Amino acid sequence: DARVTQTPRHKVTEMGQEVTMRCQPILGHNTVFWYRQTMMQGLELLAYFRNRAPLDDSGMPKDRFSAEMPDATLATLKIQPSEPRDSAVYFCASGLELGKNIQYFGAGTRLSVL
Amino acid sequence: GQQLNQSPQSMFIQEGEDVSMNCTSSSIFNTWLWYKQDPGEGPVLLIALYKAGELTSNGRLTAQFGITRKDSFLNISASIPSDVGIYFCAGLYNNAGNMLTFGGGTRLMVKP
Repeated sequence: DARVTQTPRHKVTEMGQEVTMRCQPILGHNTVFWYRQTMMQGLELLAYFRNRAPLDDSGMPKDRFSAEMPDATLATLKIQPSEPRDSAVYFCASGLELGKNIQYFGAGTRLSVL
Repeated sequence: GQQLNQSPQSMFIQEGEDVSMNCTSSSIFNTWLWYKQDPGEGPVLLIALYKAGELTSNGRLTAQFGITRKDSFLNISASIPSDVGIYFCAGLYNNAGNMLTFGGGTRLMVKP
């Protein structure tokens, strides 16, 4: 049963610390997305990769956030330094471009920055 | 950027009632998707629509791709407690690659 895997599921950290969230997309998918979900803002797109190349990261605060795909099986989202306002659930999704335009979501990483 | 207006924002209904929610856009979409998010989980795809006028069912769920290509609705018949969650519409417009635009979500609560 293919699925998007995200780790960790939960992360509690102190303000100023570095946070790294990881995502394993579904094997064979060539697009990866990072979203942030809060009660106030809903689902916000942070970054979009196609064939491991970043296509759109306009929704991501550049000064502290960075997203990479070291290889086709791993996507990372880093926050350095973290701030309390970064507390949210971060979702990774993958899909196959030119397929059925469906994005498959992971279970998310719930981040709390104290 | 593109925006989807999803309504209602929340619904509190009695078990057994039918539910209807919809999304509208000022732009034309060529794909409409409906997702459900259970508490503590990521959104899961319910129904995908690819043609204007298309009506698709998945069990008690029915969704339609509006004729104008600017709207879609989702109906749930005979709601049950496990229907509780947040329902999201998502649309894809031309030249967007695989990048979806999401609605703000409809939070459904069902009273047994």
